[in-house]
Amino acid sequence: SQKIEQNSEALNIQEGKTATLTCNYTNYSPAYLQWYRQDPGRGPVFLLLIRENEKEKRKERLKVTFDTTLKQSLFHITASQPADSATYLCALEGSARQLTFGSGTQLTVLP
Amino acid sequence: EADIYQTPRYLVIGTGKKITLECSQTMGHDKMYWYQQDPGMELHLIHYSYGVNSTEKGDLSSESTVSRIRTEHFPLTLESARPSHTSQYLCASSGWSGGQETQYFGPGTRLLVL
Repeated sequence: SQKIEQNSEALNIQEGKTATLTCNYTNYSPAYLQWYRQDPGRGPVFLLLIRENEKEKRKERLKVTFDTTLKQSLFHITASQPADSATYLCALEGSARQLTFGSGTQLTVLP
Repeated sequence: EADIYQTPRYLVIGTGKKITLECSQTMGHDKMYWYQQDPGMELHLIHYSYGVNSTEKGDLSSESTVSRIRTEHFPLTLESARPSHTSQYLCASSGWSGGQETQYFGPGTRLLVL
């Protein structure tokens, strides 16, 4: 069956450090992968999309990599700030051409 | 900021009541979605629509129903609310921007059924 797995444990890092979040998937052949941010009690907000033929994508302090051989995407936040604290979700297009979300990784950046 | 709205934001209601959760978007998107999310848990797709008069059930079985009579409006109805329906309901629409299709979410409706 199709599965999306993100860091099961919450991630705590010190301000200024780089946060790295992992998204692994099985039984998908995605044309692209997306990352969203969700704050408590609010809907997710789209951050980045990376296509299967792209190895890396950057947007300001964010960097996403996509390895279709390892079936893994890494999401990096450099020079992290307390305002980056949130839950980060990866999402893939599934067999029914609908976006399926991972359970998310809760990131806390400590001042 | 996405132009997608949900009302009410919070709703506390007794068992057996009929409720309708409203969702509207002003972006002209054809595709719209309803997700259910419990605190700290993943999003589950319960309904989606590809356009007017098109509705489909999602991955998670739900006793709710939806309608799509107008492009901008995608309400979700529970005929008889039960405590098991207590959850957060998120509406989304998707459109193309910068050569990619992404989803835009509303703020959600937090439902508590007593």
